Amino acid sequence: SQQGEEDPQALSIQEGENATMNCSYKTSINNLQWYRQNSGRGLVHLILIRSNEREKHSGRLRVTLDTSKKSSSLLITASRAADTASYFCATQSGGGADGLTFGKGTHLIIQP
Amino acid sequence: KAGVTQTPRYLIKTRGQQVTLSCSPISGHRSVSWYQQTPGQGLQFLFEYFSETQRNKGNFPGRFSGRQFSNSRSEMNVSTLELGDSALYLCASRLAGGETQYFGPGTRLLVL
Repeated sequence: SQQGEEDPQALSIQEGENATMNCSYKTSINNLQWYRQNSGRGLVHLILIRSNEREKHSGRLRVTLDTSKKSSSLLITASRAADTASYFCATQSGGGADGLTFGKGTHLIIQP
Repeated sequence: KAGVTQTPRYLIKTRGQQVTLSCSPISGHRSVSWYQQTPGQGLQFLFEYFSETQRNKGNFPGRFSGRQFSNSRSEMNVSTLELGDSALYLCASRLAGGETQYFGPGTRLLVL
């Protein structure tokens, strides 16, 4: 079953602008992860934030986590054409043996 | 290190047949998970293997099965294929105790 729900489903912006995607989930989690997928290919891990963290940065990526609202956001700054892809949030619950529960994703298009 | 590899990359089968997909994890990774991705249901967890034992299973019928070998390579099998089994099947590996999963390029299965 889907736990994470991304918002918006699709986003189109100009190159150089910032892109923000949101994710909501339903149950308590150990961590939340963001992945990128290009054209129906494999998933690339972007960043992981643990349930006791509120914000994390990695290069042009900034992730926030609000466990009281069961929501997370992914900010990509200074977007590039190569950032065009689908972005998924995934949550992990339990003792680590549980699989990831993915949202339906946000399709991001960067216009040159 | 080489990434996660999956074979075959593309497969066409007919209803009622069975199929076996293969996954070789990153060297040193003992955990292998399988996911199904379809346009309608999104990314869904199938099962996870660790040291040749199934640790967790998603909500899929018994037609979906898997196994892991002593070298950590994993196979998944789908018997009595249905049209709805057409999907991208993704394999992911991770270190024991690790939280980040590394995905392969996937096997695209088309059932006619």
